[in-house]
Amino acid sequence: SQQGEEDPQALSIQEGENATMNCSYKTSINNLQWYRQNSGRGLVHLILIRSNEREKHSGRLRVTLDTSKKSSSLLITASRAADTASYFCATVPSGSARQLTFGSGTQLTVLP
Amino acid sequence: NAGVTQTPKFQVLKTGQSMTLQCAQDMNHNSMYWYRQDPGMGLRLIYYSASEGTTDKGEVPNGYNVSRLNKREFSLRLESAAPSQTSVYFCASSEQRGLRADTQYFGPGTRLTVL
Repeated sequence: SQQGEEDPQALSIQEGENATMNCSYKTSINNLQWYRQNSGRGLVHLILIRSNEREKHSGRLRVTLDTSKKSSSLLITASRAADTASYFCATVPSGSARQLTFGSGTQLTVLP
Repeated sequence: NAGVTQTPKFQVLKTGQSMTLQCAQDMNHNSMYWYRQDPGMGLRLIYYSASEGTTDKGEVPNGYNVSRLNKREFSLRLESAAPSQTSVYFCASSEQRGLRADTQYFGPGTRLTVL
């Protein structure tokens, strides 16, 4: 079963615009992570946010977490064509879970 | 550092054939994982190894076996391949200092087709 579900499934924007992707999950979590996957490649870790954090920044990335709504969002500001990729959220359930559970991803296309 | 490496990159099998996917990491990580990714879906965990000498089932373990050969290497074996196992397989590793999952580092994947 997939804990996290991303929304939208696909997003197409112009270079320079901001891109927002959302992730909803079902059970309480210890942390939530966002990964990027370029076509035909492995996943690359972007950012980790813990359950006691509400917002985190890394370069052009901003992640928010609302545990009351069981949701997270990933904002990419001033997007570039190189940001074209699939973005996945992955959750770690509360307790001593060692596994990540991935959502089905958002396919982002940034048009030049 | 090469990070996480996987071999082969591509493989075509006939139904019933067996094969082993190899994975190695040079980051001295404790934990290693095998996932499969089907079109339009996220990754699903097949097996993982929290530390050298231990392995545990993930979400979709049926039809697979694993071996944690040493701290660096974690192999995935298909004993009798089936068309339903056509997928892209990813290996990952993490330092896993605590009890809860932390950042994972992924290999480039193996694209497997079973005819």
